[in-house]
Amino acid sequence: QTVVTQEPSFSVSPGGTVTLTCGLSSGSLSGAYYPSWYQQTPGQAPRTLIYNTFSRSSGVPDRFSGSILGNKAALTITGAQAEDEADYYCLIKMGGGIWVFGGGTKLTVL
Amino acid sequence: EVQLVESGGGLVKPGGSLRLSCAASGFAFNVYSVHWVRQAPGKGLEWLSSITSSSSSINYADSVRGRFTISRDNAKNSLYLEMTSLRDEDSAVYYCARVGLRGIMFDSWGQGTRVTVSS
Repeated sequence: QTVVTQEPSFSVSPGGTVTLTCGLSSGSLSGAYYPSWYQQTPGQAPRTLIYNTFSRSSGVPDRFSGSILGNKAALTITGAQAEDEADYYCLIKMGGGIWVFGGGTKLTVL
Repeated sequence: EVQLVESGGGLVKPGGSLRLSCAASGFAFNVYSVHWVRQAPGKGLEWLSSITSSSSSINYADSVRGRFTISRDNAKNSLYLEMTSLRDEDSAVYYCARVGLRGIMFDSWGQGTRVTVSS
């Protein structure tokens, strides 16, 4: 069974840049998996940030960007703000109608 | 405004059953695929199940296949999740989510309903 991997935690200074990644336990993650990214703060439902690797969801600030870095999908926050402190999840569309979330990255802004 | 509102959560004993509902409004429910996702306390998101607009294609995660059944009633703008043989590890907040028309991302989420499996 394929596992989607993310860094468990990351820290960034206010105004700094951070890149979170999303990979597969076996093989490369490409745009063919339509990676998307979701932000979740405590007690709240997830919020859609990025879809189809690069595209920003409506209303998402342009400091959030998506890309492919090597064999992984990546979410970059450029100019991190305090309100970006949250959990971030990638979601991969596998074949056969199966979707898989990564384990999530807890981002601390300090 | 697109809205998804889950209901039906609660406390249930191991081995018991529960039916969750998700009421949709503000969009043409009958043209969208919808999914169930859950989050155990202190844990990450877990995709559970999907159903296409006409119910022609249904999929499940291995963790719930054979125990959970997804269904929908387009006339009532509602999505359901019938859960049987519940285990302690099924305790979680259960979310319904809409897949965008391109079918490649979740573009709307409900606020979730909490299920607690405990004796």
